[in-house]
Amino acid sequence: KQEVTQIPAALSVPEGENLVLNCSFTDSAIYNLQWFRQDPGKGLTSLLLIQSSQREQTSGRLNASLDKSSGRSTLYIAASQPGDSATYLCAVIGQETSGSRLTFGEGTQLTVNP
Amino acid sequence: NAGVTQTPKFQVLKTGQSMTLQCAQDMNHEYMSWYRQDPGMGLRLIHYSVGAGITDQGEVPNGYNVSRSTTEDFPLRLLSAAPSQTSVYFCASSYSRRYEQYFGPGTRLTVT
Repeated sequence: KQEVTQIPAALSVPEGENLVLNCSFTDSAIYNLQWFRQDPGKGLTSLLLIQSSQREQTSGRLNASLDKSSGRSTLYIAASQPGDSATYLCAVIGQETSGSRLTFGEGTQLTVNP
Repeated sequence: NAGVTQTPKFQVLKTGQSMTLQCAQDMNHEYMSWYRQDPGMGLRLIHYSVGAGITDQGEVPNGYNVSRSTTEDFPLRLLSAAPSQTSVYFCASSYSRRYEQYFGPGTRLTVT
C-alpha cells in the first residue's frame, strides 16, 4: 500500500528565506505527483504537477523536483513571503490504481514571519 | 468558468438523518472523486467516478452512496448520518489520471 510522508510537519521561517519542503513515497510506480496548497478553512489549490517521466517543474518562485527511483520529491520556495503561509500537501497517483485516486501526505504547515 | 463547486458550505445533521452533498464541475472532466479530511488522518478517498454511469469505491466508502448520471455532477449521499462522519468533504475532478486535479472549496459537516 502506498504511503506518503511529509517532513517536517511544521516549519517557521523569516520572510525572504529560501526553503525546501520534503515528500517521500513508498511505491515508486507512480503516474504523477502533485503539490497543493491549503489555506485554513479552504480547499486545495494545485501548485505543480510532475509526471513520472519528468524531473522537475517550475512555476514562478516554486520549483518541484521528482526522484522516482528513490521515492522523493521536494518543493523549493524562493524568497518566501508572509502570503506563502499555508499547509502544503503532496499527493501521488499510483500506476496500479484505477480512477484518479490520490494518496496524500499529511502536509507541512509553513509559517513565514514578517 | 466556475471550476469545481460544492454545496452547502456548512451543514449540521442529527444522528440518523440523511442528506446529499452536491458537487458540480464545468470543465468537462471525466474523472471525479470525493475525499474526506480529518485531523491526523489526512485526506482519504470515499468514492470516485471515471465517467457518467461509472462509479467505484475508494478507501472509506461505508455509509456513503454516489451516482453519476451526467458528466457535470457527482453527488455524495449520506444514508444515515453518524458522528464518525463529522468531517470536511472535498470533491475533485480531472480530465484523466495524467492531468492535474482540481478541488472544490469543501463542505464542513457536523453530525451531533
